Amino acid sequence: GAGVSQSPSNKVTEKGKDVELRCDPISGHTALYWYRQSLGQGLEFLIYFQGNSAPDKSGLPSDRFSAERTGGSVSTLTIQRTQQEDSAVYLCASSTPGQGLETQYFGPGTRLLVL
Amino acid sequence: GEDVEQSLFLSVREGDSSVINCTYTDSSSTYLYWYKQEPGAGLQLLTYIFSNMDMKQDQRLTVLLNKKDKHLSLRIADTQTGDSAIYFCAESIGENSGYALNFGKGTSLLVTP
Repeated sequence: GAGVSQSPSNKVTEKGKDVELRCDPISGHTALYWYRQSLGQGLEFLIYFQGNSAPDKSGLPSDRFSAERTGGSVSTLTIQRTQQEDSAVYLCASSTPGQGLETQYFGPGTRLLVL
Repeated sequence: GEDVEQSLFLSVREGDSSVINCTYTDSSSTYLYWYKQEPGAGLQLLTYIFSNMDMKQDQRLTVLLNKKDKHLSLRIADTQTGDSAIYFCAESIGENSGYALNFGKGTSLLVTP
């Protein structure tokens, strides 16, 4: 079956512009995660969705970052007024919640470059 | 979250064993994970270990867990050039985060012929 897909693959934007990143999880996976991978910080957890609700937004780095999920499926991560330090690869993962053993399936990522 | 520590780089010759070490932070993490990231590819779960185990073997992979020292290691036997990748150690952040993962910065493994 299809894996996690993300779009766009690459995004170049100018500082101050807004960007929207999309994630299509594996069908039937109720849990969805966003992570950010950057050179200086490694892999950071951003936000977790269970269905359409986000119980944990603690990883979002600032109020310029927001995310939503609709229909328990597709999620979008929005970054407003982008800054150069937002340049990173944004990874999405999905899973079926268990009792602690979470096999998270990752998408290929969106590489964001803010000029 | 707090830092999961890994050495950043390891180079081995083809056929030798590779050992990648990790120190994690959360003693309540039920599972600990090793993920692999190949150039231009996404993250893939390589193996995991349940926290009440001290060793798990899976073909060429051996995971050792020392809970007292919060130390995790991944041994790859008979390392091949195709094993060249970045290896990430990860722990679960916790149930409130849906068991989202707290990753180390990754160890780049280079296997030379």
